[in-house]
Amino acid sequence: EAGVTQSPTHLIKTRGQQATLRCSPISGHTSVYWYQQALGLGLQFLLWYDEGEERNRGNFPPRFSGRQFPNYSSELNVNALELEDSALYLCASSDGQGGQDTQYFGPGTRLTVL
Amino acid sequence: AQKITQTQPGMFVQEKEAVTLDCTYDTSDQSYGLFWYKQPSSGEMIFLIYQGSYDEQNATEGRYSLNFQKARKSANLVISASQLGDSAMYFCAMGSGGGADGLTFGKGTHLIIQP
Repeated sequence: EAGVTQSPTHLIKTRGQQATLRCSPISGHTSVYWYQQALGLGLQFLLWYDEGEERNRGNFPPRFSGRQFPNYSSELNVNALELEDSALYLCASSDGQGGQDTQYFGPGTRLTVL
Repeated sequence: AQKITQTQPGMFVQEKEAVTLDCTYDTSDQSYGLFWYKQPSSGEMIFLIYQGSYDEQNATEGRYSLNFQKARKSANLVISASQLGDSAMYFCAMGSGGGADGLTFGKGTHLIIQP
């Protein structure tokens, strides 16, 4: 069974640009979570999508947005990039909607903002 | 609010020894799940083991076991017979309720296995 996949592996942008990150969940999983892992800040919850809808977002500004497609894959968009957006962005999928459902992570996209 | 505390920033362990990674948690929820993930230098978060708050038995998965002490709010990970490939960051995490807030992670423990 294929795991969670993310693309691209690395992304280099300059301040003010937009970045688009993509995630494909494990087959049969409908929930997709996005996390940011910035140096010194640990892993922080960004967004949760389920059945095509944004269900919740963490404490991040509106320039972090995304969507979930009918095939449950997801896209994270970061507009007006700032230097502090440099981080590893991890996507996870689960087959349930509860906090006790195991989330399986992809390999991440490393975003560098210059 | 939920909180996960991992008090060991780094640990050095000899190969083949058992190792215990500490994790304490704080939550007002009655129903929650506790998870351990391994993150090698490549960055991918690898799921290791899960313990539900109502599970009476400690979870085990191969060389991994979770020492769950609910009254003390601790969920320590035990790795038996450590291997060089176990060198990585280890994160304790908690999820609860409808999962709306994602997982709450601790700051992690950097484990280094020495030959």
